[in-house]
Order: sequence, then C-alpha cells, then structure tokens
Amino acid sequence: EAQVTQNPRYLITVTGKKLTVTCSQNMNHEYMSWYRQDPGLGLRQIYYSMNVEVTDKGDVPEGYKVSRKEKRNFPLILESPSPNQTSLYFCASSRRLAGIGEQFFGPGTRLTVL
Amino acid sequence: AQKVTQAQTEISVVEKEDVTLDCVYETRDTTYYLFWYKQPPSGELVFLIRRNSFDEQNEISGRYSWNFQKSTSSFNFTITASQVVDSAVYFCALSEGEGGGSYIPTFGRGTSLIVHP
Repeated sequence: EAQVTQNPRYLITVTGKKLTVTCSQNMNHEYMSWYRQDPGLGLRQIYYSMNVEVTDKGDVPEGYKVSRKEKRNFPLILESPSPNQTSLYFCASSRRLAGIGEQFFGPGTRLTVL
Repeated sequence: AQKVTQAQTEISVVEKEDVTLDCVYETRDTTYYLFWYKQPPSGELVFLIRRNSFDEQNEISGRYSWNFQKSTSSFNFTITASQVVDSAVYFCALSEGEGGGSYIPTFGRGTSLIVHP
C-alpha cells in the first residue's frame, strides 16, 4: 500500500530535550516536505527536499532541522524544542514539486512541548 | 506574495443541503496551481483536486464540483446533497509558477464543515 508513515504519532516532551520525528514514504517520490498545522493558521511548510541531500527552508524553518540521506526518509529534528513548537506536524511526499503535484500526507504527529 | 483566503471559518448545514466553500487567492504570477485538500475528524489530509491557471474548466466529481474563475481570483468548492461523511476541514492551497514558488504552497486557514443528520 502506498503510504507516508510518521513516528511517533504523539509525543509529549520538555523544553530543550532534542527529538526526532521520522517520516518514510514507499512511493519512490523525489519531493518531500514537512508542515506544521496550528489552529486558525492552516498548514505552513517548514522544510522541503527535492531529492537526496537537497533540502531547503519553507516558510517557518526556525528551530527545525531536516536531513535527506535516503530517498524514502525525511526526518524532522528539533534540537532544542520550545513550547511554541507545540503543534500538529505532517510529512508529505509528492511525485512532482510540492506546489505542482498532488501531495500525499502522513497521519500526523501531535507534539506537546512543556 | 501569494495569499489564500478562506473567509468562512465554519459552516453548518443539514444533510442533503448543498454547500459552497469559498476560496479567494492572490498571486502576481500568470502560472500557478490551486488545490483543495480535505481533513476529516480522523486528522489525515486527503488530496481532492488540482487546477493550473490555464485550465478554467469547471470540474465535477460525483457530488463535488469546483468553480475556477480567474476574473474574481476564486476557486470555490461545492458539495451537492451533503452527507455526514463530508464533515471535515477543507483547505484551499496555492503555489506560484514553475520556479521557487512551486516548492512552497500557501494554504488557507481552512473551513470547517459540519453536516448534521
């Protein structure tokens, strides 16, 4: 089954404790993205990747890092999480550029930073 | 800069009513792409439709239809004979051109549709 998986689905952590949210897709898509969803703000892109070892900032990259060492994986790293990073996070992949093609989204990761 | 406005925060209807979700966009590009995504209560995001700026044909898919009007910069979504399963948050999104803007879609804030039985 074609899908995007994310782990963990739920995470409660404390300020400053480094964490990684994993994302994996099995569709051989070149393009992957991370978004955060906050009430009343819709989805905002954090980072995107055009291919292995090629990543770039989206609209709200501050406080986040990503890496793309393999085509299928695109982890999101919070080196020192803060309460304003409490949010619902989505990973997405697409066969074409995120703004041109259909995006396939993971199930979401609800992160709470205390 | 690109912008998407979904002025309706929440819409409440009774089953079998028709409902239209509005989406107004702003862009300076002549080439751009518009999307609608659905987020049901379970939380996942599901792609519904994609339109490019050169294709103004309206689209119908079952009970769903989309009206793209460049003259008013709108890409409205209509559900005919709504059902409870249509209850969800619907997002309109825009991305510009074939260049850098294409990597970063702009999403509207979403419209929450509640369909009562």
